[in-house]
Amino acid sequence: DTAVSQTPKYLVTQMGNDKSIKCEQNLGHDTMYWYKQDSKKFLKIMFSYNNKELIINETVPNRFSPKSPDKAHLNLHINSLELGDSAVYFCASRGGRDYGYTFGSGTRLTVV
Amino acid sequence: GDSVTQMEGPVTLSEEAFLTINCTYTATGYPSLFWYVQYPGEGLQLLLKATKADDKGSNKGFEATYRKETTSFHLEKGSVQVSDSAVYFCALYSGGYQKVTFGTGTKLQVIP
Repeated sequence: DTAVSQTPKYLVTQMGNDKSIKCEQNLGHDTMYWYKQDSKKFLKIMFSYNNKELIINETVPNRFSPKSPDKAHLNLHINSLELGDSAVYFCASRGGRDYGYTFGSGTRLTVV
Repeated sequence: GDSVTQMEGPVTLSEEAFLTINCTYTATGYPSLFWYVQYPGEGLQLLLKATKADDKGSNKGFEATYRKETTSFHLEKGSVQVSDSAVYFCALYSGGYQKVTFGTGTKLQVIP
């Protein structure tokens, strides 16, 4: 069983479209995150939820909206996609301060 | 706020060479420290961790020691293999911001 699973793995879409990325974890962790990784491998935190409550909301365009229906799921919806949104998006969960993150395998988003 | 500084890459080594990737940090309190590895096309995986001063984390031949006096957590391996080629991220969690702070990543390329 995959601990943190993201779908889809690849997403190619046109500018202006709306798309969603889904994430699920089966580790029983309370906290989940979305990170964006650019072409230089730099990781930027976007959002975090703790037990369905938003706790981190970094400087991200409001076209990005996270949703957490329960503590095992954290989805990311993006409206009006732009070329600059092209990146790899990683979901992660955290089980405690000493355990670091468990990452999903990423969603490569390409906006054309 | 918290920050992590790691040496810029890419680092190119011959197989069986000694590896050091430097990492220093700034954080409030007593953070937990981590090294993550990202193989091409994959998500990040936790490589090793240390949760208090003077702890040594180790895994797969890699080691790093938590040095509070120099605020450092350098990654070392005595003999690298081609299969170690990846991007390595130093990271910390200090609890105050409820998130892991990552360095910019160091790409390692090992040539036969």
